[in-house]
Amino acid sequence: AQSVTQLGSHVSVSEGALVLLRCNYSSSVPPYLFWYVQYPNQGLQLLLKYTTGATLVKGINGFEAEFKKSETSFHLTKPSAHMSDAAEYFCAVSRGNTDKLIFGTGTRLQVFP
Amino acid sequence: DTGVSQNPRHKITKRGQNVTFRCDPISEHNRLYWYRQTLGQGPEFLTYFQNEAQLEKSRLLSDRFSAERPKGSFSTLEIQRTEQGDSAMYLCASSLLPLTLDRHNTGELFFGEGSRLTVL
Repeated sequence: AQSVTQLGSHVSVSEGALVLLRCNYSSSVPPYLFWYVQYPNQGLQLLLKYTTGATLVKGINGFEAEFKKSETSFHLTKPSAHMSDAAEYFCAVSRGNTDKLIFGTGTRLQVFP
Repeated sequence: DTGVSQNPRHKITKRGQNVTFRCDPISEHNRLYWYRQTLGQGPEFLTYFQNEAQLEKSRLLSDRFSAERPKGSFSTLEIQRTEQGDSAMYLCASSLLPLTLDRHNTGELFFGEGSRLTVL
């Protein structure tokens, strides 16, 4: 079975500050890991994904995440927050190609000026 | 390529009524997924199709729920005898299962904007 735990349902940062959103996963097979972003009244958009190879993955809008197998983590970071980053962020895990995604409960990011 | 399209975007119905949602995937995508998202929660998997075959159904999909993809293109999700607990956002996603299965070709899931159901 697979599962995802996102620590912190709400994260608030000041514009220009570091963004750190935490994700821990559980998987009985080598996982595929994803971060999605959801803006109000919009669908989910893929930020980045890890499948194999380099453990530091770069995504859109300056976000990156690092796969740490020993810690079963896939935390999302961005060096400098922008007001437009305010949204809901979801971590997800799957078993393979186009397999169903198992999502975490999400983290709402607020960015203050 | 216009993305995944879902209709209607919003549906308000009375308890006990039947509702149907439609999802048009990205053309040529052979996999189609349905998820349900309630306020403050992440999307929960309901079911998915490969072409017209329904490959997996979640235990969340009670007997009142039925999904079809008759020609392997668009899909419908019907909820019979709606209950207030069915109020949620219903999300559809599609992907293209690659011909070669390797970890470098993940076949990303593309999501629609969802259909919001409110049961009064």
